[in-house]
Amino acid sequence: GESVGLHLPTLSVQEGDNSIINCAYSNSASDYFIWYKQESGKGPQFIIDIRSNMDKRQGQRVTVLLNKTVKHLSLQIAATQPGDSAVYFCAEMNTGNQFYFGTGTSLTVIP
Amino acid sequence: NAGVTQTPKFQVLKTGQSMTLQCAQDMNHNSMYWYRQDPGMGLRLIYYSASEGTTDKGEVPNGYNVSRLNKREFSLRLESAAPSQTSVYFCASSDNRGSQPQHFGDGTRLSIL
Repeated sequence: GESVGLHLPTLSVQEGDNSIINCAYSNSASDYFIWYKQESGKGPQFIIDIRSNMDKRQGQRVTVLLNKTVKHLSLQIAATQPGDSAVYFCAEMNTGNQFYFGTGTSLTVIP
Repeated sequence: NAGVTQTPKFQVLKTGQSMTLQCAQDMNHNSMYWYRQDPGMGLRLIYYSASEGTTDKGEVPNGYNVSRLNKREFSLRLESAAPSQTSVYFCASSDNRGSQPQHFGDGTRLSIL
């Protein structure tokens, strides 16, 4: 089966610093990737997506980088705020149009 | 605009009992999905419905059945609940089954004793 994993299960950052959350994927044929944020007791919330024909995509305070050579995805959050504390996970879509989800990284923002 | 609504939010069942989890979306999406989320694991697809009138098995369909009642509603049924089905269940929808983000409900927390 697919393997979508995260390098670090937990991450603590100081408020105002930048956060970087990483994700490795195993299927080189995957062509669509999404980052989700999940707060306690809530469902996953879409943050940003990127297709395999792109290396970088920016949103509001977030940037996703895709390195297809090493099958690596990262989410950068600028000026991290307490409201950013949550679990973040990536999802990849393979050629079968099915998403595979990572287990998540828990981000804690220290005021 | 509620998005994806799931009911109930919490439920405790005894082994062998049956139950239906309800899901409705108001975004006029074609595709709907049921996932389960277990500690230390990523979301796993149980069943999906690419369009009204169709349903297909996902990664972990055993012990479950689904019904796509209409374009808005997609229900998940446990005919004879087992402790291994203790989990958080999420319903999601998307415009099409393909390269589009899925929108999730807030989940049903189900415990089987």
